[in-house]
Amino acid sequence: GENVEQHPSTLSVQEGDSAVIKCTYSDSASNYFPWYKQELGKRPQLIIDIRSNVGEKKDQRIAVTLNKTAKHFSLHITETQPEDSAVYFCAASPDMRFGAGTRLTVKP
Amino acid sequence: DADVTQTPRNRITKTGKRIMLECSQTKGHDRMYWYRQDPGLGLRLIYYSFDVKDINKGEISDGYSVSRQAQAKFSLSLESAIPNQTALYFCATNGVRGGRGQPQHFGDGTRLSIL
Repeated sequence: GENVEQHPSTLSVQEGDSAVIKCTYSDSASNYFPWYKQELGKRPQLIIDIRSNVGEKKDQRIAVTLNKTAKHFSLHITETQPEDSAVYFCAASPDMRFGAGTRLTVKP
Repeated sequence: DADVTQTPRNRITKTGKRIMLECSQTKGHDRMYWYRQDPGLGLRLIYYSFDVKDINKGEISDGYSVSRQAQAKFSLSLESAIPNQTALYFCATNGVRGGRGQPQHFGDGTRLSIL
């Protein structure tokens, strides 16, 4: 099955700074890569996703980039705000395995 | 996401008991998944099913079994529960379009404690 690795495990930034979280995957057949945000005690919520036929996708302050050759994809959050503090997970199809998660803390 | 319902929401039971966690969805998705989340950790895939006749083991299937009773229902069983299976369990569903996966929709989770 797919193997997804995610780094870093924790990330602390000042409000207004950018945050970058990186994931690598092992299965070259994977074609769908979502990112989820999870707040304490709640279900994961999709924040952005990218498919293998696209190299980059943006949605306001959030962007995801994909490098199929290197088998890695990254989440970029710009102008971070305290409410961005949460745990972020990447995942990869086809069997939708998740990375271990990144706990992001945005300090006001 | 009320379209994915997990029951029960909380369960406390004893070592050795058989437990079933149920998941039902009204989204019409073919694919369903069971994940386990331990405190401070990520989601680990237990089992997944791409349709009613398709069941696949995930990363940590030992000690668990599943049943896909219908397109809308996917149950997870612990045949003989042990304390290290204490965790938060999530069910998720998604569809496929053009051969590519679609976003997963998660239930609210079942918090399971085994004493």
